[in-house]
Amino acid sequence: LAKTTQPISMDSYEGQEVNITCSHNNIATNDYITWYQQFPSQGPRFIIQGYKTKVTNEVASLFIPADRKSSTLSLPRVSLSDTAVYYCLVVGAGNMLTFGGGTRLMVKP
Amino acid sequence: DAGVIQSPRHEVTEMGQEVTLRCKPISGHDYLFWYRQTMMRGLELLIYFNNNVPIDDSGMPEDRFSAKMPNASFSTLKIQPSEPRDSAVYFCASSFRPLAGGQDEQFFGPGTRLTVL
Repeated sequence: LAKTTQPISMDSYEGQEVNITCSHNNIATNDYITWYQQFPSQGPRFIIQGYKTKVTNEVASLFIPADRKSSTLSLPRVSLSDTAVYYCLVVGAGNMLTFGGGTRLMVKP
Repeated sequence: DAGVIQSPRHEVTEMGQEVTLRCKPISGHDYLFWYRQTMMRGLELLIYFNNNVPIDDSGMPEDRFSAKMPNASFSTLKIQPSEPRDSAVYFCASSFRPLAGGQDEQFFGPGTRLTVL
């Protein structure tokens, strides 16, 4: 399972764009990069998943460079309700998700 | 669909007692996962099932922990005897397809907060 490294915490203000970068140097050829969000007292929730280049949905964008050794989750114009822990995961051949420590995002007014 | 359902939401018990946590996956999902979350260790996968069969239980901490899935709509995680260090939030999750190859995502339940005194 590829290990991921991401910042422990980040602060932002309402209306700003937030970019959270995750490194996964030993990602394998068939691995996908997935991000989950977790609010206090709730289970994690799937945000976005990608393999290469750029993926965008109604919530976020995911940027993956050609070497795929890192990825960046981009949250446009964050609000207070985006305060949560964001987990970067690499999903490989098995069905197991390995959650690291995540990035604790605090959005301030 | 109501999503993944877990019960109870909170459980307080005394050391040595048996604890049973319950999970109802989303209808039609073939994969079921049990996780444990603590401040110290984060979110850990304990075991997962495919079509009611346990596939990987390498995350189960010790013999005091056991999990069953008697049918497609119900699973239990049992701790016997319980110890204070088992205090954590236990999550159940399910998915329709395999996660490999970017085929699917996991849907998590609200969790059961277990406190062992």
